[in-house]
Amino acid sequence: AQTVTQSQPEMSVQEAETVTLSCTYDTSESDYYLFWYKQPPSRQMILVIRQEAYKQQNATENRFSVNFQKAAKSFSLKISDSQLGDAAMYFCAQTGTASKLTFGTGTRLQVTL
Amino acid sequence: DGGITQSPKYLFRKEGQNVTLSCEQNLNHDAMYWYRQDPGQGLRLIYYSQIVNDFQKGDIAEGYSVSREKKESFPLTVTSAQKNPTAFYLCASSIKKVSIVANEQFFGPGTRLTVL
Repeated sequence: AQTVTQSQPEMSVQEAETVTLSCTYDTSESDYYLFWYKQPPSRQMILVIRQEAYKQQNATENRFSVNFQKAAKSFSLKISDSQLGDAAMYFCAQTGTASKLTFGTGTRLQVTL
Repeated sequence: DGGITQSPKYLFRKEGQNVTLSCEQNLNHDAMYWYRQDPGQGLRLIYYSQIVNDFQKGDIAEGYSVSREKKESFPLTVTSAQKNPTAFYLCASSIKKVSIVANEQFFGPGTRLTVL
């Protein structure tokens, strides 16, 4: 069975600073994808970034980047130059067979002035 | 505009009643999914369908039923057998590619179900 663990229920960052959200996962699949989704107060799930497990290069999307450590089964999200609009719940997710997503319990990110 | 719609946004149900949540997509996606979200928990998979007229149980299918008669539609029925149905329900869809095990899922805006 796949499991995804987010050990930080809440994080806080000052505007313009950098924050890293942690995620670990466990799977027996050899081919899988990892995702970070953002859920703002509207509760709409928005894809932030994704990583293909067979790619060694860490994915980057503007201010968002990941640190993918396959051997350690770690997939952290780094948000640079944090903005007030980044405040949201962030979910780490993994998918394998049948494209089913397994989600972590989420990290609530607060952005302060 | 292409996207996923869910209706209604808020739904109230009396105990013992069945209720159906609507999910429609015009993205021409083959696969569709239903998730449940409870406070303090991540999303949990209820049912999913990779092709019309076929669907599979997810991790928490008990007390729920689905149908997939059309590619665009994947309604979820919450039956009276579901012991704790109050939750936020999210529908998602994705392209199904045979050679790739995982694809990005696009989510609808969700339905908040409250049992009175």
